[in-house]
Amino acid sequence: QVQLVESGGGVVQPGGSLRLSCAASGFTFSNHGMYWVRQAPGKGLEWVSHIQNDGSNKYYADSVKGRFTISRDNSKNTLYLQMNSLKPEDTAVYYCRAADGPFDNWGQGTLVTVSS
Amino acid sequence: DVVMTQSPLSLPVTLGQPASISCRSSQSLVHSDGNTYLSWFHQRPGQSPRRLIYRVSNRDSGVPDRFSGSGSGTDFTLKISRVEAEDVGIYYCMQGTHSWTFGQGTKVEIK
Repeated sequence: QVQLVESGGGVVQPGGSLRLSCAASGFTFSNHGMYWVRQAPGKGLEWVSHIQNDGSNKYYADSVKGRFTISRDNSKNTLYLQMNSLKPEDTAVYYCRAADGPFDNWGQGTLVTVSS
Repeated sequence: DVVMTQSPLSLPVTLGQPASISCRSSQSLVHSDGNTYLSWFHQRPGQSPRRLIYRVSNRDSGVPDRFSGSGSGTDFTLKISRVEAEDVGIYYCMQGTHSWTFGQGTKVEIK
């Protein structure tokens, strides 16, 4: 069955960096676009970033542009999110999502807390 | 940026009765490829979101047929024909035509 497992979350000080990973299994990873979506505590969903199946195009929300970098390694079936210059408002559960047409699957999320 | 506005934000419902959620976009969601990329998601407390509907009216695999999506242009609706207890939670619309944007969410609870 399809599995997306996020890791790399934790507590980091403002201005710090963190790298999230999302390990995919149960489907052909290289066939699908991938997303990062976040949810601040008690708040709604916010799209963060998208990368096409072959990594050729990447898109970012204005709130993270210039600070976050999305990437993928199709040989390792893994999605990444490098987060730099973290701010307290980046505190959220970060979800990995695989989606294309009728295919849509989400991971369980990893919590990132930015606090001094 | 496209703004997605859902209404109502809170929806108390009676078991077995219908329910409806509206989602309006600040600009047309018709893509240059002719498709309209409007999806609906359901999130139960403590769980990851689950997509119910994609491209306005296409039900995802395993989604009960009491859920239906409709609309066009800037106005969209999610309908539940007969609410069941498992339908509680927060519903989000999301557009994928002009980058990606979620609505604020509509909390559905049983009266």
